[in-house]
Amino acid sequence: EAGVAQSPRYKIIEKRQSVAFWCNPISGHATLYWYQQILGQGPKLLIQFQNNGVVDDSQLPKDRFSAERLKGVDSTLKIQPAKLEDSAVYLCASSSVGGRPYEQYFGPGTRLTVT
Amino acid sequence: GIQVEQSPPDLILQEGANSTLRCNFSDSVNNLQWFHQNPWGQLINLFYIPSGTKQNGRLSATTVATERYSLLYISSSQTTDSGVYFCAVVGRLSGTYKYIFGTGTRLKVLA
Repeated sequence: EAGVAQSPRYKIIEKRQSVAFWCNPISGHATLYWYQQILGQGPKLLIQFQNNGVVDDSQLPKDRFSAERLKGVDSTLKIQPAKLEDSAVYLCASSSVGGRPYEQYFGPGTRLTVT
Repeated sequence: GIQVEQSPPDLILQEGANSTLRCNFSDSVNNLQWFHQNPWGQLINLFYIPSGTKQNGRLSATTVATERYSLLYISSSQTTDSGVYFCAVVGRLSGTYKYIFGTGTRLKVLA
């Protein structure tokens, strides 16, 4: 079974530029999550999708962050414009609704550096 | 919201030693997972354990949901066990299920 895929693995941009991250969840997983992990801290949930609908985006800074999950499979997270404090690892995870619900599987992450 | 605290925050062990990591949570939860974040940043599932006890090789975990804590046991530690251990809980808040990660325990195993 293929795991959660993310790209790119690393990205360096200047402040005020825009950036986009891509995630492909485990096949058949209806729920997809985006997390932000700042160095030395635990992951913080940014947004949760079930199929292509948003379940929770209460911690997403909507003035600069946006996310979509068209067709209920792949997802894209965008930051525009980026700030220095957005430097972090962005993690994507997925889980199924049957079987063991809420059991999350994580991708390798995208490490973003904003200079 | 639900608070999740882990202890100890940092732990240094000699190879071969045993350890116990603790996760306390402030409210009832629907799920609890333990993860190991390796030095490359990958979060690896260790246990899906909303209650009870499970074992996987040198690792085992126990969750006592009624008392709101979970324990992760590492026996005969190896250098490859180094990294950060997180517990994450799922609790119901305002009609939705919320995922909250703990503060983490940073483990270093010395050869």
